[in-house]
Amino acid sequence: GEDVEQSLFLSVREGDSSVINCTYTDSSSTYLYWYKQEPGAGLQLLTYIFSNMDMKQDQRLTVLLNKKDKHLSLRIADTQTGDSAIYFCAESKAGTYKYIFGTGTRLKVLA
Amino acid sequence: EPEVTQTPSHQVTQMGQEVILRCVPISNHLYFYWYRQILGQKVEFLVSFYNNEISEKSEIFDDQFSVERPDGSNFTLKIRSTKLEDSAMYFCASSVSRDPILNTGELFFGEGSRLTVL
Repeated sequence: GEDVEQSLFLSVREGDSSVINCTYTDSSSTYLYWYKQEPGAGLQLLTYIFSNMDMKQDQRLTVLLNKKDKHLSLRIADTQTGDSAIYFCAESKAGTYKYIFGTGTRLKVLA
Repeated sequence: EPEVTQTPSHQVTQMGQEVILRCVPISNHLYFYWYRQILGQKVEFLVSFYNNEISEKSEIFDDQFSVERPDGSNFTLKIRSTKLEDSAMYFCASSVSRDPILNTGELFFGEGSRLTVL
């Protein structure tokens, strides 16, 4: 069945890079997403990648996709205290309306 | 910036009571969704709604659940007879389309309604 797994916590020092990892099981996934949830707010789309891509870069964010291992990662360069939030990995595929989310990884940035 | 709004932010109810969670999606969006997250667990898809009917639902969305768009702005989730295991954060979301390729399939989420069933 469809499943998305993430580690629950990550702690980094301000200025370091953060790498948040995600694995998924559905090889027919078409789109993979990273959402961010700040305290008291809804989930906000950070970036997405199509399954036929290996990498996508957007300013401080780099998404890497290893389709063979069904592994997705989000790298945040020069992590700031404002990056402290919960980061959700999600996948979807053509022909369905639903997104499959992971549990979310709580990123804590230490000053 | 337009946003999805949800009310109430927190509701406490007794087991067996009916609960209605309300959402106001972004005004030009056509697709509407409910997701939930039980504490410490994954965000789970419940239902999607388009053109005044359910387009897809999960196994969680049983006969105790219903959705409605009673007017042009609200989108509601009703739980007829709440159970302890319905305690969760319920997220409403909306999107212009369902196709990310057009860059408009992005889901816009509300802040969530926390439901506590005692």
